[in-house]
Amino acid sequence: TQLLEQSPQFLSIQEGENLTVYCNSSSVFSSLQWYRQEPGEGPVLLVTVVTGGEVKKLKRLTFQFGDARKDSSLHITAAQPGDTGLYLCAGEGTYKYIFGTGTRLKVLA
Amino acid sequence: ETGVTQTPRHLVMGMTNKKSLKCEQHLGHNAMYWYKQSAKKPLELMFVYNFKEQTENNSVPSRFSPECPNSSHLFLHLHTLQPEDSALYLCASSQDGTGAPDTQYFGPGTRLTVL
Repeated sequence: TQLLEQSPQFLSIQEGENLTVYCNSSSVFSSLQWYRQEPGEGPVLLVTVVTGGEVKKLKRLTFQFGDARKDSSLHITAAQPGDTGLYLCAGEGTYKYIFGTGTRLKVLA
Repeated sequence: ETGVTQTPRHLVMGMTNKKSLKCEQHLGHNAMYWYKQSAKKPLELMFVYNFKEQTENNSVPSRFSPECPNSSHLFLHLHTLQPEDSALYLCASSQDGTGAPDTQYFGPGTRLTVL
């Protein structure tokens, strides 16, 4: 069974701080996606990474796919209250995407 | 209206009630999905429809009954639910109806509370 563990589960930081969240598995994925879900809404796709070692940047967000395509990280620079939400990773399995356990981030003003 | 819409946004029902959740996608996609999102659990895939045909049922109890009359609409019929079925029910759609994984677009969800 393919599982994706995300850490930390919860994170509360002050505005302006940097943070990294992790998505780890013992399985290899063809690609991996990151979503952000705000309270009362569905998840919204942020990025898809497909190549081992790939780094993608989206404004203050930096996404990295591990060389072995088993793990990924999301780094946020100078976090803002608008970054608050649930961050989900999803790995491309054989027939479907497998979602991770999620990291709930709260950025305090 | 664009994207994926879900109605109602909130639903409170008793264990003996029958209700239905509705999902509509305006993206021209061929695949639609129902997920259950509970606190402290990963997103649980419930059902998948490709070109109106059900292609996946992840051992979901029969008190949940999906219906997909066309590629744009998806329903989840609920009857004799249990309090542990209280959760956020998310609908999603994706372009590819062949069964291969592809990017999913989610609706805002229906927050269901079973009393």
